[in-house]
Amino acid sequence: DSGVTQTPKHLITATGQRVTLRCSPRSGDLSVYWYQQSLDQGLQFLIQYYNGEERAKGNILERFSAQQFPDLHSELNLSSLELGDSALYFCASSGTGDSEKLFFGSGTQLSVL
Amino acid sequence: GESVGLHLPTLSVQEGDNSIINCAYSNSASDYFIWYKQESGKGPQFIIDIRSNMDKRQGQRVTVLLNKTVKHLSLQIAATQPGDSAVYFCAEIGGGGNKLTFGTGTQLKVEL
Repeated sequence: DSGVTQTPKHLITATGQRVTLRCSPRSGDLSVYWYQQSLDQGLQFLIQYYNGEERAKGNILERFSAQQFPDLHSELNLSSLELGDSALYFCASSGTGDSEKLFFGSGTQLSVL
Repeated sequence: GESVGLHLPTLSVQEGDNSIINCAYSNSASDYFIWYKQESGKGPQFIIDIRSNMDKRQGQRVTVLLNKTVKHLSLQIAATQPGDSAVYFCAEIGGGGNKLTFGTGTQLKVEL
């Protein structure tokens, strides 16, 4: 168990809808990262937050947004969903003492029908 | 681009044999590397890491080798067990970047 908690584990929705994925980092970790894993693109970095502020941005679509709350949990919002958004979405966290080592949650499997 | 799933390279080994999984990286400025193991239905799990000032690092049954000259990283697993069956990813960071970039995974299959 990595200590990173993601909910829900599975999400099935329709095109055009909006969903919210939730992540609780390991206790004490200030950084939260979101990654997307699909069959044809591997693990793609989306966005990083550090102590409530956006720190880095990757290949995140404009339809997607994220935030990190004062209690350090994070949410990834996906809107106007398309079939191609179906993927595994992972959250990871890291600590200040070893900020490059990421610990991943078990992911949310999103299926857009 | 990178790919997983149907397009993953596969390494099949017999139980008890040693496994060597290779990874090539492109950014010569990368200075920190990690190997992750991902079992079906789970998130990537940290195995071992190495910084660019080292050539070799050993863990429990695993060894990572770094060859900066040819930008190559390898993961050696001694006495491979069925529980080692998974997809293995190398990841790199550095060169002023602050995000971990994952390489193409390798599917390790352990045959009994």
